[in-house]
Amino acid sequence: QSVLTQPPSVSGAPGQRVTISCTGGSSNIGSGYEVHWYQQLPGTAPKLLIYGYVNRPLGVPDRFSGSYSGASASLAITGLQSEDEADYYCQSYDSGLSVYVFGTGTKVTVL
Amino acid sequence: QVQLVESGGGVVQPGRSLRLTCAASGFTFSNFGIHWVRQAPGKGLEWVALISYDGTKKYYGDSVKGRFIITRDNSKNTLFLQMSSLRVEDTAVYYCAKDAGDGSGSYPLSFDYWGQGTLVPVSS
Repeated sequence: QSVLTQPPSVSGAPGQRVTISCTGGSSNIGSGYEVHWYQQLPGTAPKLLIYGYVNRPLGVPDRFSGSYSGASASLAITGLQSEDEADYYCQSYDSGLSVYVFGTGTKVTVL
Repeated sequence: QVQLVESGGGVVQPGRSLRLTCAASGFTFSNFGIHWVRQAPGKGLEWVALISYDGTKKYYGDSVKGRFIITRDNSKNTLFLQMSSLRVEDTAVYYCAKDAGDGSGSYPLSFDYWGQGTLVPVSS
C-alpha cells in the first residue's frame, strides 16, 4: 500500500517534455521530508536520478529536473530520448508509518 | 567506484529461512547506513529494512517486522538479511542500497547506490 501516488504511465514523442507527479500527504512530503527520484531501465536495478527534490547526481543529464510544492513533487524530462524509456519512482519518508516509502511508479514510453 | 553485490537468493519453501548477503566496495562502508529494498515480479519498490553505519540502529517495514533481521559486519564490508518464516508474498528481487548518510535516523536521505539484486522465489 503505497502512500505516494504516481500516474501509471506517461508518453511523449522524441524531443517533447513530459512530467511525472508524485502526490503524498501531511505525514510525508507535506511534513518536509525530501523527495528523491529513481530511474529503473528494463531489467536493471534502480538508479538515483534526483535527490533532495531538485538535485542531480554527477552524470545525470540536465534534461531531468525536479520540483515540489506542498505535499507533491514532480519530475520533468525535457528533450525526451528513446533511452529514457523506463520506470520512474519517487521516494520519501513517512513519519506516521515510520517507514521509507516509494511511489507507485510511472512507466515512460517514447512514441 | 561504489559496488554493491548481492548473493544468497534462490528458491525456498514457505516457512523456511534464507540469508542474503551484500558485499560492498569502493566506499568507506562503516560510515554509511545500508538498506534492503525488494521488488515483487512486475511490481513496484518496497522498502524492507535499514541498518545504521555502526549497526546499533535497525528499522523494518511492517510486512517483515519480526521475521527478518538486518545485520552488518564492518570488518568485512558486508551486509546481511536473515529471512525467516518466509511467505509466498516475500517472493521478490532483493536489492541492497547505500544510504546517502549514516542511517542513524536523524534525517532520512536518498538511496544513492544500488546493487544488481538477487531473486528470492518462495514456492512449494
